Amino acid sequence: GAVVSQHPSRVICKSGTSVKIECRSLDFQATTMFWYRQFPKKSLMLMATSNEGSKATYEQGVEKDKFLINHASLTLSTLTVTSAHPEDSSFYICSAWTRGSNQPQHFGDGTRLSIL
Amino acid sequence: GENVEQHPSTLSVQEGDSAVIKCTYSDSASNYFPWYKQELGKRPQLIIDIRSNVGEKKDQRIAVTLNKTAKHFSLHITETQPEDSAVYFCAALTYSGGSNYKLTFGKGTLLTVNP
Repeated sequence: GAVVSQHPSRVICKSGTSVKIECRSLDFQATTMFWYRQFPKKSLMLMATSNEGSKATYEQGVEKDKFLINHASLTLSTLTVTSAHPEDSSFYICSAWTRGSNQPQHFGDGTRLSIL
Repeated sequence: GENVEQHPSTLSVQEGDSAVIKCTYSDSASNYFPWYKQELGKRPQLIIDIRSNVGEKKDQRIAVTLNKTAKHFSLHITETQPEDSAVYFCAALTYSGGSNYKLTFGKGTLLTVNP
Protein backbone atom coordinates (compact mmCIF):
# COMPACT_ATOMS: atom_id res chain seq x y z
CA GLY A 1 0.00 0.00 0.00
CA ALA A 2 0.82 3.72 0.07
CA VAL A 3 2.07 4.02 -3.50
CA VAL A 4 2.98 7.42 -4.92
CA SER A 5 3.21 7.74 -8.68
CA GLN A 6 5.18 10.58 -10.23
CA HIS A 7 5.05 11.46 -13.90
CA PRO A 8 6.94 11.99 -16.11
CA SER A 9 10.10 10.21 -15.01
CA ARG A 10 12.29 12.13 -17.44
CA VAL A 11 11.87 15.40 -19.31
CA ILE A 12 14.23 17.05 -21.75
CA CYS A 13 13.13 20.36 -23.17
CA LYS A 14 14.30 23.68 -24.49
CA SER A 15 14.98 26.74 -22.39
CA GLY A 16 11.86 28.85 -21.90
CA THR A 17 9.48 25.90 -21.83
CA SER A 18 7.11 25.35 -18.91
CA VAL A 19 7.08 21.82 -17.53
CA LYS A 20 4.39 20.19 -15.40
CA ILE A 21 5.14 17.28 -13.08
CA GLU A 22 2.34 15.24 -11.55
CA CYS A 23 2.34 13.44 -8.24
CA ARG A 24 -0.48 11.03 -7.46
CA SER A 25 -1.24 8.95 -4.41
CA LEU A 26 -2.68 5.77 -5.90
CA ASP A 27 -4.21 3.95 -2.96
CA PHE A 28 -4.61 6.55 -0.26
CA GLN A 29 -5.71 10.12 0.22
CA ALA A 30 -2.78 12.42 0.76
CA THR A 31 -3.51 15.13 3.26
CA THR A 32 -0.19 16.76 2.54
CA MET A 33 2.23 16.59 -0.36
CA PHE A 34 5.83 17.74 -0.40
CA TRP A 35 8.05 18.74 -3.29
CA TYR A 36 11.80 18.32 -3.12
CA ARG A 37 14.66 19.21 -5.39
CA GLN A 38 17.86 17.20 -5.46
CA PHE A 39 21.02 18.21 -7.29
CA PRO A 40 23.57 15.51 -8.26
CA LYS A 41 25.28 14.04 -5.21
CA LYS A 42 23.38 16.40 -2.93
CA SER A 43 20.65 16.07 -0.36
CA LEU A 44 16.91 16.51 -0.75
CA MET A 45 15.95 20.15 -0.34
CA LEU A 46 12.33 20.84 0.52
CA MET A 47 10.83 23.33 -1.91
CA ALA A 48 7.26 23.53 -0.68
CA THR A 49 4.53 21.83 1.30
CA SER A 50 0.99 21.70 0.00
CA ASN A 51 -2.22 20.81 1.77
CA GLU A 52 -5.25 19.88 -0.31
CA GLY A 53 -7.39 22.87 -1.12
CA SER A 54 -5.03 25.51 0.21
CA LYS A 55 -2.04 27.44 -1.08
CA ALA A 56 1.36 25.84 -0.89
CA THR A 57 3.86 26.92 1.73
CA TYR A 58 7.20 27.63 0.08
CA GLU A 59 10.57 27.34 1.73
CA GLN A 60 12.77 30.38 1.96
CA GLY A 61 14.53 31.10 -1.31
CA VAL A 62 12.09 29.19 -3.51
CA GLU A 63 10.30 31.43 -6.03
CA LYS A 64 6.57 30.73 -5.89
CA ASP A 65 6.01 32.33 -9.30
CA LYS A 66 8.68 30.10 -10.79
CA PHE A 67 7.55 26.86 -9.20
CA LEU A 68 3.75 26.73 -9.28
CA ILE A 69 2.19 24.10 -7.05
CA ASN A 70 -1.41 22.99 -7.24
CA HIS A 71 -2.99 20.49 -4.86
CA ALA A 72 -6.55 20.39 -6.12
CA SER A 73 -7.51 16.97 -4.77
CA LEU A 74 -6.48 14.52 -2.08
CA THR A 75 -4.74 12.34 -4.66
CA LEU A 76 -3.06 14.79 -7.00
CA SER A 77 -0.51 17.57 -6.71
CA THR A 78 1.29 19.21 -9.61
CA LEU A 79 4.49 21.20 -9.84
CA THR A 80 4.92 23.47 -12.85
CA VAL A 81 8.36 24.86 -13.57
CA THR A 82 7.59 28.01 -15.54
CA SER A 83 9.90 29.32 -18.24
CA ALA A 84 12.53 26.75 -17.31
CA HIS A 85 16.21 27.53 -17.76
CA PRO A 86 19.31 25.27 -17.61
CA GLU A 87 19.84 26.10 -13.93
CA ASP A 88 16.44 24.52 -13.21
CA SER A 89 17.76 21.16 -14.36
CA SER A 90 17.54 18.83 -11.41
CA PHE A 91 15.87 15.76 -9.93
CA TYR A 92 12.45 16.67 -8.53
CA ILE A 93 10.81 14.29 -6.05
CA CYS A 94 7.37 14.47 -4.53
CA SER A 95 6.15 12.74 -1.42
CA ALA A 96 2.80 12.32 0.23
CA TRP A 97 1.57 11.89 3.77
CA THR A 98 -1.66 10.57 5.12
CA ARG A 99 -2.87 10.58 8.67
CA GLY A 100 -2.35 7.26 10.36
CA SER A 101 0.52 6.18 8.13
CA ASN A 102 3.45 4.44 9.76
CA GLN A 103 5.82 6.49 7.63
CA PRO A 104 6.12 10.27 7.63
CA GLN A 105 6.30 10.43 3.84
CA HIS A 106 5.87 8.12 0.87
CA PHE A 107 8.10 9.16 -2.01
CA GLY A 108 7.46 9.17 -5.73
CA ASP A 109 10.08 7.88 -8.17
CA GLY A 110 11.25 11.37 -9.08
CA THR A 111 11.47 13.34 -12.30
CA ARG A 112 14.77 14.05 -13.99
CA LEU A 113 14.40 17.47 -15.62
CA SER A 114 17.00 18.54 -18.18
CA ILE A 115 16.74 21.98 -19.76
CA LEU A 116 18.83 22.51 -22.87
CA GLY B 1 14.74 26.01 12.03
CA GLU B 2 16.13 22.51 12.27
CA ASN B 3 19.68 21.79 11.07
CA VAL B 4 20.89 18.24 10.51
CA GLU B 5 24.59 17.47 10.13
CA GLN B 6 25.68 14.09 8.76
CA HIS B 7 29.12 12.45 8.78
CA PRO B 8 31.00 11.07 7.01
CA SER B 9 30.13 12.20 3.50
CA THR B 10 31.76 9.08 2.04
CA LEU B 11 32.47 5.72 3.63
CA SER B 12 34.20 2.75 2.10
CA VAL B 13 34.25 -0.63 3.85
CA GLN B 14 35.12 -4.20 3.04
CA GLU B 15 32.32 -6.71 2.68
CA GLY B 16 31.48 -8.16 6.07
CA ASP B 17 32.69 -5.13 8.02
CA SER B 18 30.42 -2.77 9.92
CA ALA B 19 29.51 0.74 8.83
CA VAL B 20 28.48 3.60 11.10
CA ILE B 21 26.97 6.90 10.00
CA LYS B 22 26.36 9.70 12.49
CA CYS B 23 23.97 12.63 12.52
CA THR B 24 23.34 15.54 14.84
CA TYR B 25 20.30 17.79 15.00
CA SER B 26 19.71 21.20 16.48
CA ASP B 27 16.00 21.42 17.33
CA SER B 28 15.15 19.70 20.61
CA ALA B 29 11.49 19.61 19.49
CA SER B 30 12.33 17.08 16.73
CA ASN B 31 10.86 13.76 17.76
CA TYR B 32 11.19 11.32 14.89
CA PHE B 33 14.34 10.30 13.06
CA PRO B 34 14.15 8.19 9.89
CA TRP B 35 17.01 6.85 7.80
CA TYR B 36 16.70 6.52 4.04
CA LYS B 37 18.66 4.56 1.46
CA GLN B 38 18.78 6.03 -2.02
CA GLU B 39 20.22 4.31 -5.06
CA LEU B 40 21.25 6.40 -8.05
CA GLY B 41 18.24 7.95 -9.77
CA LYS B 42 15.79 6.21 -7.46
CA ARG B 43 13.44 7.31 -4.72
CA PRO B 44 14.62 7.37 -1.09
CA GLN B 45 13.53 4.24 0.74
CA LEU B 46 12.91 4.17 4.47
CA ILE B 47 15.14 1.54 6.05
CA ILE B 48 14.71 2.20 9.75
CA ASP B 49 13.40 4.91 12.04
CA ILE B 50 13.39 5.80 15.71
CA ARG B 51 11.17 7.97 17.88
CA SER B 52 12.40 10.25 20.60
CA ASN B 53 11.10 8.05 23.41
CA VAL B 54 13.34 5.17 22.34
CA GLY B 55 17.11 4.89 22.65
CA GLU B 56 17.81 2.06 20.24
CA LYS B 57 16.06 0.05 17.56
CA LYS B 58 17.29 -2.91 15.57
CA ASP B 59 16.09 -4.64 12.43
CA GLN B 60 18.28 -7.56 11.38
CA ARG B 61 21.61 -6.08 10.25
CA ILE B 62 20.53 -2.48 10.73
CA ALA B 63 20.30 -0.59 14.00
CA VAL B 64 19.77 3.01 15.00
CA THR B 65 20.69 4.66 18.29
CA LEU B 66 19.46 7.98 19.61
CA ASN B 67 20.93 10.21 22.30
CA LYS B 68 18.37 12.94 22.96
CA THR B 69 20.52 14.79 25.43
CA ALA B 70 23.37 15.12 22.98
CA LYS B 71 21.00 15.46 20.03
CA HIS B 72 22.66 12.85 17.92
CA PHE B 73 21.64 9.59 16.31
CA SER B 74 23.55 6.95 14.41
CA LEU B 75 22.96 4.23 11.84
CA HIS B 76 24.81 0.96 12.26
CA ILE B 77 25.02 -1.63 9.50
CA THR B 78 26.67 -4.93 10.37
CA GLU B 79 27.95 -7.64 8.05
CA THR B 80 27.84 -5.26 5.11
CA GLN B 81 27.15 -6.60 1.63
CA PRO B 82 27.84 -5.07 -1.81
CA GLU B 83 24.10 -4.42 -2.22
CA ASP B 84 24.26 -2.11 0.78
CA SER B 85 26.21 0.33 -1.41
CA ALA B 86 24.10 3.47 -1.82
CA VAL B 87 23.64 6.96 -0.43
CA TYR B 88 22.17 7.06 3.06
CA PHE B 89 20.32 10.07 4.43
CA CYS B 90 19.33 10.78 7.99
CA ALA B 91 16.44 13.10 8.71
CA ALA B 92 14.71 14.79 11.62
CA LEU B 93 11.01 15.54 11.81
CA THR B 94 9.70 18.67 13.44
CA TYR B 95 6.03 19.63 13.83
CA SER B 96 5.09 23.21 13.10
CA GLY B 97 1.50 23.13 14.34
CA GLY B 98 -1.65 21.15 13.54
CA SER B 99 -0.87 18.54 10.92
CA ASN B 100 2.01 20.56 9.50
CA TYR B 101 5.46 19.10 9.84
CA LYS B 102 8.75 19.11 8.05
CA LEU B 103 11.51 16.58 7.42
CA THR B 104 15.00 18.05 7.39
CA PHE B 105 17.60 15.85 5.71
CA GLY B 106 21.29 15.46 6.29
CA LYS B 107 23.62 15.87 3.33
CA GLY B 108 24.00 12.14 2.80
CA THR B 109 26.70 9.49 3.06
CA LEU B 110 27.89 7.57 0.05
CA LEU B 111 28.55 4.06 1.31
CA THR B 112 30.65 1.75 -0.83
CA VAL B 113 30.99 -1.89 0.17
CA ASN B 114 33.91 -3.52 -1.59
CA PRO B 115 33.65 -7.24 -2.34
